[in-house]
Amino acid sequence: KNEVEQSPQNLTAQEGEFITINCSYSVGISALHWLQQHPGGGIVSLFMLSSGKKKHGRLIATINIQEKHSSLHITASHPRDSAVYICAVRGQGAQKLVFGQGTRLTINP
Amino acid sequence: EPEVTQTPSHQVTQMGQEVILRCVPISNHLYFYWYRQILGQKVEFLVSFYNNEISEKSEIFDDQFSVERPDGSNFTLKIRSTKLEDSAMYFCASSERWLTYEQYFGPGTRLTVT
Repeated sequence: KNEVEQSPQNLTAQEGEFITINCSYSVGISALHWLQQHPGGGIVSLFMLSSGKKKHGRLIATINIQEKHSSLHITASHPRDSAVYICAVRGQGAQKLVFGQGTRLTINP
Repeated sequence: EPEVTQTPSHQVTQMGQEVILRCVPISNHLYFYWYRQILGQKVEFLVSFYNNEISEKSEIFDDQFSVERPDGSNFTLKIRSTKLEDSAMYFCASSERWLTYEQYFGPGTRLTVT
């Protein structure tokens, strides 16, 4: 059974700070997703990774397959980045996503 | 930009009633999914659907649940006899293919069972 753990569970920072959210998983995967959940509940896909690093604007996602670990970084954070960030993995040969518990990020102006 | 839509946004029902949650996936997508999130908990996988049949399901997806693609655009989740513990946000998602393709999520339907 694949367990997905995120840290920290809650993170409060000041506008402009560099943010890192971590995700660890327990078994081999075919892909890892970073998702953003807004206060209203909607989920938006940010990245899908199977190796290396991806960048989109101020967001960077990295994955280390050997260590079963991924990080999501936000540079020059802004109050509009405040949301819950969720890591989800797809096991090898599986279609379903297994989700972490989410990291609640609050960026204060 | 194409998006997944879901209706209704909020449904209130009494225990024991049947509910149907509706989703319109992105038009060229072939794989469809239902997830749920009980308030304060992780998102959980319910079922995936491809080529008009269930391709994977979780232990949550018991005989009370069913899915259907009644026409070329809609994808529905039916709960036959709702229980209080079915109260949750239900998300539909779709993807173009399976293995290396992103899943796009709908805005969710909040189901409240009283």
